[in-house]
Amino acid sequence: GAGVSQSPRYKVAKRGQDVALRCDPISGHVSLFWYQQALGQGPEFLTYFQNEAQLDKSGLPSDRFFAERPEGSVSTLKIQRTQQEDSAVYLCASSGSGGPGELFFGEGSRLTVL
Amino acid sequence: QKEVEQNSGPLSVPEGAIASLNCTYSDRGSQSFFWYRQYSGKSPELIMSIYSNGDKEDGRFTAQLNKASQYVSLLIRDSQPSDSATYLCAVLNSGYSTLTFGKGTMLLVSP
Repeated sequence: GAGVSQSPRYKVAKRGQDVALRCDPISGHVSLFWYQQALGQGPEFLTYFQNEAQLDKSGLPSDRFFAERPEGSVSTLKIQRTQQEDSAVYLCASSGSGGPGELFFGEGSRLTVL
Repeated sequence: QKEVEQNSGPLSVPEGAIASLNCTYSDRGSQSFFWYRQYSGKSPELIMSIYSNGDKEDGRFTAQLNKASQYVSLLIRDSQPSDSATYLCAVLNSGYSTLTFGKGTMLLVSP
C-alpha cells in the first residue's frame, strides 16, 4: 500500500478484556516497529521485527503484551487483560532503505480502557 | 537507561521569526539523530536527519549536531503558522536498531 495502515483507529475496551491491533506496513519494508504514545509524551519503543523475526521486545511493558508478524508483512499487537494504564495511542511504523531511523508511521490505534 | 531530553514548551514565536528547538541525549555512542514533526492528533513524520557534527540545511530547516556536548538542535527560519506542531527529537541507540524519542517540544507560531 501507499502508507502504513493501522486498524482499528479507535478501540474502547473494558478493563480485563483482550484487544488486538493490526498493522499493515508499506509494501517491501522489512522492518516493523511498535511504539506506545501516552498523552503529552513522546513515542516509547515496544518491539521490533525484521521480516517475521522479532529481534527486540525489550520495550513490552509486561507479559500481557504480545506481538507477532508471522508472514513478515502484517503485524498484530495483542494486549491481554487490559488495564487502565494501557490507554494510549499505539503507533506502528515501518522502515525501508533509509534505515531504522527513518520511520514511516501509521495513523495509530487509540486504545481507551474503561 | 538511554534518555533524550527536550523542553516541553510551548515555545511561542511570531510569524517570520526563527524558532530554535533543542535536545540533549545520554548515549555517547549514538551516531544518528532525527527530528520528527507531529501535528495534534496525527502521527509523527520525519523532517530531518543528521549524522555528522555541524549543520545540515534543508529549505527553512537546519539541524545542528555537537556530539562532544551530546546536543542536537533544529532551527526553523521564517516560521509559519503551519509550523505549529510538536517536534520530537529521536536518537538511534548505539548497537541497536531502534529509536529513543524525547517527549517533544510544542511550537506555536502566531500570525
